[in-house]
Amino acid sequence: DTEVTQTPKHLVMGMTNKKSLKCEQHMGHRAMYWYKQKAKKPPELMFVYSYEKLSINESVPSRFSPECPNSSLLNLHLHALQPEDSALYLCASSQVGGGTADTQYFGPGTRLTVL
Amino acid sequence: AQSVTQPDIHITVSEGASLELRCNYSYGATPYLFWYVQSPGQGLQLLLKYFSGDTLVQGIKGFEAEFKRSQSSFNLRKPSVHWSDAAEYFCAVGPPYNQGGKLIFGQGTELSVKP
Repeated sequence: DTEVTQTPKHLVMGMTNKKSLKCEQHMGHRAMYWYKQKAKKPPELMFVYSYEKLSINESVPSRFSPECPNSSLLNLHLHALQPEDSALYLCASSQVGGGTADTQYFGPGTRLTVL
Repeated sequence: AQSVTQPDIHITVSEGASLELRCNYSYGATPYLFWYVQSPGQGLQLLLKYFSGDTLVQGIKGFEAEFKRSQSSFNLRKPSVHWSDAAEYFCAVGPPYNQGGKLIFGQGTELSVKP
């Protein structure tokens, strides 16, 4: 099973709201990723967690706050977002350690609209 | 600099015709190579990957890709396209050993299929 699940599928929020995106995988992967994707563009990496520790932050604004409570779960907390943050947010996971371990499997995404 | 180029932004083929999507990369060493497909509003699905060995790799949905080291290319092919293949296709490269798990994506090729 190579499934990554994401909730919610769609989210509409105002600029003063606080919301969270959730990602879950049960493949035993120890690396998890958040990507942002605008229309007609490739995904842009935001954060990487490796063994539940933040290993990469691609200079993402602090209004995005990731959290990895355990090896299966990844959250993205959103606060005071701007309309330009509207996008498809993708979660991915992979094993850690080189070889075929680096294949990333993606979830279906959360379509976020900021009003 | 590391980069991935997909020269064709948009390709239209007739159903039943053959398909080739081009991908060229610039990388210090032979990277891991991937093709992903994305239907509108969906996440990315892994079609196939190349790490080492046989340079012709088979993937899901009847796709294959050939790695050509001398041309730094990893082109995706399908002998007979189906209407359901209409989607966005992304070529991606990753480091040959676990070095942070960063994928570099091409800009994508949008495939349309004519009846």
